[in-house]
Amino acid sequence: EVQLVQSGAEVKKPGESLKISCKGSGYSFTSYWIGWVRQLPGKGLEWMGIIYPGDSDTRYSPSFQGQVTISADKSFTTTYLQWSSLKASDTAMYYCARLGGGNSLGYWGQGSLVTVSS
Amino acid sequence: QSALTQPASVSGSPGQSITISCTGTSSDVGGYNYVSWYQQHPGKAPKLMIYGVSNRPSGVSNRFSGSKSGNTASLTISGLLAEDEADYYCSSYTSSSTLVVFGGGTKLTVL
Repeated sequence: EVQLVQSGAEVKKPGESLKISCKGSGYSFTSYWIGWVRQLPGKGLEWMGIIYPGDSDTRYSPSFQGQVTISADKSFTTTYLQWSSLKASDTAMYYCARLGGGNSLGYWGQGSLVTVSS
Repeated sequence: QSALTQPASVSGSPGQSITISCTGTSSDVGGYNYVSWYQQHPGKAPKLMIYGVSNRPSGVSNRFSGSKSGNTASLTISGLLAEDEADYYCSSYTSSSTLVVFGGGTKLTVL
């Protein structure tokens, strides 16, 4: 069974760093792109970027380029989303999702809630 | 790249049919048969409902159907049920390097 399991909720202060994770299991981790999606409170889905764990090819949406870093560790079958200096406006739910047939996101993590507040 | 355009809201009565549109460009919706639709209930992760314009994943009701004409894709839900009330998002392959672009989302209200 394909599963994407994300790390738990985080509460951070502005300026702090953070790395959240998405562990894949039940499939060939290096053979599928994994994307990250932001959902601000009460808002829609925003595509942040995507990584191919097989060769670490990483692409960022223009709005997120330079704001976050996406990485993967094949040994742990885990992808990561990290910030070096959080802002209050980063408060959101973050989902990882696997890109599959038809360029569809057939499998999603359960979401990681990030709250940034002083 | 710009998000795909969806109506902010649609509504329908139980048993009726509704259609949600998703308009893009020739660089995404119009150029490829890689349009997907997702359903999201409050507090839940999105769920894939349609892929490849008109294909249903296993387990998705045949009340959900998809189509495309030019730069606009559509999701039709027939025989509306109360449980269909949710937010719906389209996505498409895009020729930009990021591979995926989302629509802004449509809130479906079942009256």
